[in-house]
Amino acid sequence: GAVVSQHPSRVICKSGTSVKIECRSLDFQATTMFWYRQFPKQSLMLMATSNEGSKATYEQGVEKDKFLINHASLTLSTLTVTSAHPEDSSFYICSAPWGDRESSEQYFGPGTRLTVT
Amino acid sequence: GQNIDQPTEMTATEGAIVQINCTYQTSGFNGLFWYQQHAGEAPTFLSYNVLDGLEEKGRFSSFLSRSKGYSYLLLKELQMKDSASYLCAVTDSNYQLIWGAGTKLIIKP
Repeated sequence: GAVVSQHPSRVICKSGTSVKIECRSLDFQATTMFWYRQFPKQSLMLMATSNEGSKATYEQGVEKDKFLINHASLTLSTLTVTSAHPEDSSFYICSAPWGDRESSEQYFGPGTRLTVT
Repeated sequence: GQNIDQPTEMTATEGAIVQINCTYQTSGFNGLFWYQQHAGEAPTFLSYNVLDGLEEKGRFSSFLSRSKGYSYLLLKELQMKDSASYLCAVTDSNYQLIWGAGTKLIIKP
């Protein structure tokens, strides 16, 4: 099946620094990728939709200047958490739909555990 | 608004059968997904229903009734490794995925 990778799997950074998370579709092209955040014991929360060649679409309440998304190619989307704070500590997961639009199964990356100290 | 309801937590016994329900109210409907998520890991795909009826895949089955806005995931011959959260998600008329909060399933020996 389709594979999506994420890097890094875990990252610890100091408050005020920026962290970049990469999401790659390894064996298929993805014009759209999704970025989720998941706090402990909570469900996935969609942050933004990454669109290849155009600006990302952010969900209400998500600061686009803080969470920079770049989808430079059909296989790579990056999420940069700028000026990270401890409350940004979370599990960040990307996904890419595979297949036709009507039955777009989401393939998830393994996630990135961000800890901001 | 759009809403998906699932029980927060369920407990079942190894070897038994458990049914996890999901009800939804969304702007249109273009399919319902069930995902399994083990703690600390990303979700993995279990099933997809777009037409009414039962879809069977090994020990797991998923049922859909569009008129009732209702689905369930049925897990048979439960194994300890089935302990996980089970997420229901619906694709609305804009093909946006709406996620339920997930049901934490605890399997006891």
